[in-house]
Parts: sequence; structure tokens; C-alpha cells
Amino acid sequence: GAGVSQSPSNKVTEKGKDVELRCDPISGHTALYWYRQSLGQGLEFLIYFQGNSAPDKSGLPSDRFSAERTGESVSTLTIQRTQQEDSAVYLCASSLYWTDTQYFGPGTRLTVL
Amino acid sequence: KNEVEQSPQNLTAQEGEFITINCSYSVGISALHWLQQHPGGGIVSLFMLSSGKKKHGRLIATINIQEKHSSLHITASHPRDSAVYICAVMRGGNKLVFGAGTILRVKS
Repeated sequence: GAGVSQSPSNKVTEKGKDVELRCDPISGHTALYWYRQSLGQGLEFLIYFQGNSAPDKSGLPSDRFSAERTGESVSTLTIQRTQQEDSAVYLCASSLYWTDTQYFGPGTRLTVL
Repeated sequence: KNEVEQSPQNLTAQEGEFITINCSYSVGISALHWLQQHPGGGIVSLFMLSSGKKKHGRLIATINIQEKHSSLHITASHPRDSAVYICAVMRGGNKLVFGAGTILRVKS
């Protein structure tokens, strides 16, 4: 079946603009994660959704970042008033349940000019 | 000190060599993941383990919970194994904390 997909694959934006990144998880996967991979920073956890439970937002770096997930389907990560330090690859992953293997999407490369 | 430490940071091996990448962590975890990332490519989960040892093809992963240590071994290494290998530990039931990664280059 189809893997995790993300769109857009690349996004270039100007400082101060809002951006919205999309993740389509594998069908049936109840857990969905957003991560960020910055140059020289490695991977970091942003937010986690598990079914209809309240999301774990503990990794979001500021209140400019927010994410939503509709049921057990699509998720969007929104960054408001983008800053240059937001430039990174944003990765989405999903798993059947949080105890299971995570499957990663190809990522969205965000460049803030 | 990072919660997850990997060694070595960089590793160059000759084709056919046995490779070991180490991961140490300092916190209680529910599981440990080994991930592979090829240059310009996506991330693939190689193993998720909470005890003992797992094997898949030429790859073997072990974990010692008491010593808070895990190793990833590659037998009969091949140039296509060249990638970044990342150790990540699962904390709080759902949050992954990542190591900095080990850049592996296998020369033919």
C-alpha cells in the first residue's frame, strides 16, 4: 500500500509569512508524529497524535507552531510568522499504534528567506 | 550531556568489514529505534527493540537495558550500506529523542 506522503516537498517562503505543511499517514495508523531536522541540529520531536487523545505538543518550539489532525487521517503543521531559524526539513511519521514501528514520509524542505 | 550519545560520529569501512555502531542513553526508555537515512533520501526504521537482540538480513541490533546501551552491527558491509544511522529512544510512551547519527561510508 501507499506509504506516508507529505506535501509540498519543497517550500520557500519569506520571513513573516505563514506556512502550512501536510501529512497523509498510512491508512489505519492511529499514531502520527511530526519531527524537524535542522542542519547541524539533528532530528527533534515536535508533536504526537494518538487516535482521539489529546496531542502531545511538548516538542513545539514556540507558540507560532501548531498542528491539527482530523480523526486518524490527514495532519497539518502550521507555522505562523516564519523566521529564518524555522528553515529545516519537516518530517511526518505514522505507526499502527505508538508501540509499533514508525514509517517516515519523505519530508518537506522549508526555506525561510 | 545529550540524553542519547552515539559513537563513532563518522566511520569509514572497507567492503566486507564487520561494522559496529554504539548508542548509549541516560534515561529510562520504553523502546529504542535504529533508523537509516540515505543522502537526500528518507528515513527508514531498521529496528525497534526493548530487550535482547533482533536480526534482519545482515543487520543485527542488540540492547542491554541495565547498561543503557545498544549496538547496531552490519555484517559483510557493502557500499550500499553507506548512510547515516540514527539511534532514537522512546520516552514518555511516545516521544522519540534522537542521537546525532553516525555517518557510515563503505568503500569498495
